[in-house]
Amino acid sequence: ETGVTQTPRHLVMGMTNKKSLKCEQHLGHNAMYWYKQSAKKPLELMFVYSLEERVENNSVPSRFSPECPNSSHLFLHLHTLQPEDSALYLCASSQGWQGSDEQYFGPGTRLTVT
Amino acid sequence: TQLLEQSPQFLSIQEGENLTVYCNSSSVFSSLQWYRQEPGEGPVLLVTVVTGGEVKKLKRLTFQFGDARKDSSLHITAAQPGDTGLYLCAHPALNRDDKIIFGKGTRLHILP
Repeated sequence: ETGVTQTPRHLVMGMTNKKSLKCEQHLGHNAMYWYKQSAKKPLELMFVYSLEERVENNSVPSRFSPECPNSSHLFLHLHTLQPEDSALYLCASSQGWQGSDEQYFGPGTRLTVT
Repeated sequence: TQLLEQSPQFLSIQEGENLTVYCNSSSVFSSLQWYRQEPGEGPVLLVTVVTGGEVKKLKRLTFQFGDARKDSSLHITAAQPGDTGLYLCAHPALNRDDKIIFGKGTRLHILP
């Protein structure tokens, strides 16, 4: 138990569906992250929020829309996804937005797009 | 773009054996991190190495940062089934204009 929870743990959705992934951290951290982990590819940073402000958006397609209503919660809204978007989506948090700050990861949501 | 190459990609060995996995780059890094990701879980930070030539030990795990700060190794002594997992090396972001970079990882399986 790392103090970062993600729901759902598994999700199957069609290409026309709209769904949301949820992440909650119970560590009092100020920064939260979304990562994509695909087979045969390195872990990819998608979005970073620091104190609820987005500080990083690594050329992620607009079909992925993040939302950070407060420093404890992070959402990833999904719509009109493609099969190649199937992957493990990991959320993480850290005390601050500094390279030296340790990131704590949630268990991930395994997403399958059909 | 800085890349981290990890080798081997897969490793399956018997319990009790020793092993070494590697993380290499053509670039110099200010620091390097090692994570372990167990099946069904997110990565967990094991160690951060900062100084060239630095060696850190975590029980049976020994981490070394190369003198030139371009490579790192993880040596496991007397591997146990609990060591099974995906081992990732990463270069953390230095500032707001930087981003963390991960290698593809070494998938380790320890056979009982």
